[in-house]
Amino acid sequence: DVVMTQTPVSLPVSLGGQASISCRSSQSLVHSNGNTYLHWYLQKPGQSPQLLIYRVSNRFSGVPDRFSGSGSGTDFTLKISRVEPEDLGDYYCLQSTHFPNTFGAGTKLELK
Amino acid sequence: QVKLQQSGAELVKPGASVKLSCKTSGYTFSTSYMSWFKQIPGQSIEWIGMIYAGDGGTGYNQKFKGKATLTVDTSSSTAYMDLSSLTTEDSAVYFCARGLDYSAFPFAYWGQGTLVTVSS
Repeated sequence: DVVMTQTPVSLPVSLGGQASISCRSSQSLVHSNGNTYLHWYLQKPGQSPQLLIYRVSNRFSGVPDRFSGSGSGTDFTLKISRVEPEDLGDYYCLQSTHFPNTFGAGTKLELK
Repeated sequence: QVKLQQSGAELVKPGASVKLSCKTSGYTFSTSYMSWFKQIPGQSIEWIGMIYAGDGGTGYNQKFKGKATLTVDTSSSTAYMDLSSLTTEDSAVYFCARGLDYSAFPFAYWGQGTLVTVSS
């Protein structure tokens, strides 16, 4: 299975500040069709995961433009600018290029 | 709007089986994919497998073969997951989720989760 390594495990931030989360895969996430199936989720305490970014850099409906995704191959980044209280929680990257789908271990975004 | 409503919490004994449901509304169930996930509190998320409601075709994470069985009832737009031979290691929150648009991935719409506790 593809291993997804997220760093850092915990990320203290100040409200209004910027956060950056890294996700690296154990093999390239470029599918044979040319697409890269790397997605980002936020899970708030006691809630279901919510889709933020799909296929590296596409924001899901309703996701503020403070969230942006980038990367290629095996190295991906989620950036959050102007952090707001509702952004706090656990962030996960997910790869859907290779079977089975696999998630990263998560990054906890918390207040400094 | 798309809604996925999961069944309530379950307390089951070791060795027993349990059937979880995920009732959907707001979209055409019969042409969609549904995936299921396991999350032990405080840990990351595991993908169990998926089912295509159109023909009942399934794909399972090897880790969950023999443990989970996915089915659908298109007449009620409901997806089901049977978990068998339960042990304490199966205690977790289980989620269902539908893909974006009508593709299998990414998982855009999620149920609220069902807590399964396996205890004697």
